[in-house]
Amino acid sequence: GAVVSQHPSWVICKSGTSVKIECRSLDFQATTMFWYRQFPKQSLMLMATSNEGSKATYEQGVEKDKFLINHASLTLSTLTVTSAHPEDSSFYICSASRSDRGLGNEQFFGPGTRLTVL
Amino acid sequence: AQKITQTQPGMFVQEKEAVTLDCTYDTSDPSYGLFWYKQPSSGEMIFLIYQGSYDQQNATEGRYSLNFQKARKSANLVISASQLGDSAMYFCAMREVTGNQFYFGTGTSLTVIP
Repeated sequence: GAVVSQHPSWVICKSGTSVKIECRSLDFQATTMFWYRQFPKQSLMLMATSNEGSKATYEQGVEKDKFLINHASLTLSTLTVTSAHPEDSSFYICSASRSDRGLGNEQFFGPGTRLTVL
Repeated sequence: AQKITQTQPGMFVQEKEAVTLDCTYDTSDPSYGLFWYKQPSSGEMIFLIYQGSYDQQNATEGRYSLNFQKARKSANLVISASQLGDSAMYFCAMREVTGNQFYFGTGTSLTVIP
């Protein structure tokens, strides 16, 4: 299967700082990447859809100025949590779909980033 | 309305027994895909099995099989011969032909008892 990496795997930061999370598709091109947020024992909540070369599409209720997404290339998308606060502490997961497959196009997930804001 | 419904927040199964995790879905698209993912405590999402809406046969992948009942809009995951390593969260997901987005259910926490 295809591999998606995510970096860092965990990060602890002070309140008010910004944190950047990288998501890379290592062996395939991904025109679309997705960013999810997951609280303990809950489902994945889609935050935004990241399209290479264009602006991300944010889900309702997700602040685009707080969660900046940049899809700079076909293999890299970044999520920056700006001015992080303790309530932003969560598990952030990215995923990518291969652009050459059809409906059975599974999403390949990164290993996730655990963010803790003190 | 919820696109994906998983009504079992937690399930227990004896080691070596089979277990069925329920999933129902809601869509008006004529074509869609159904997926099951496993999420162990480490957090990574592991793809298990896929069923296309037009597939005539139920999907199988090793110990995993998908009981697809299109008329009832259900796509239950059956795990045979449960192992201790099967203890994890299990998520049902759907992708519609009209979009690239995945819709996830709320998940089922499976615990395999020795």
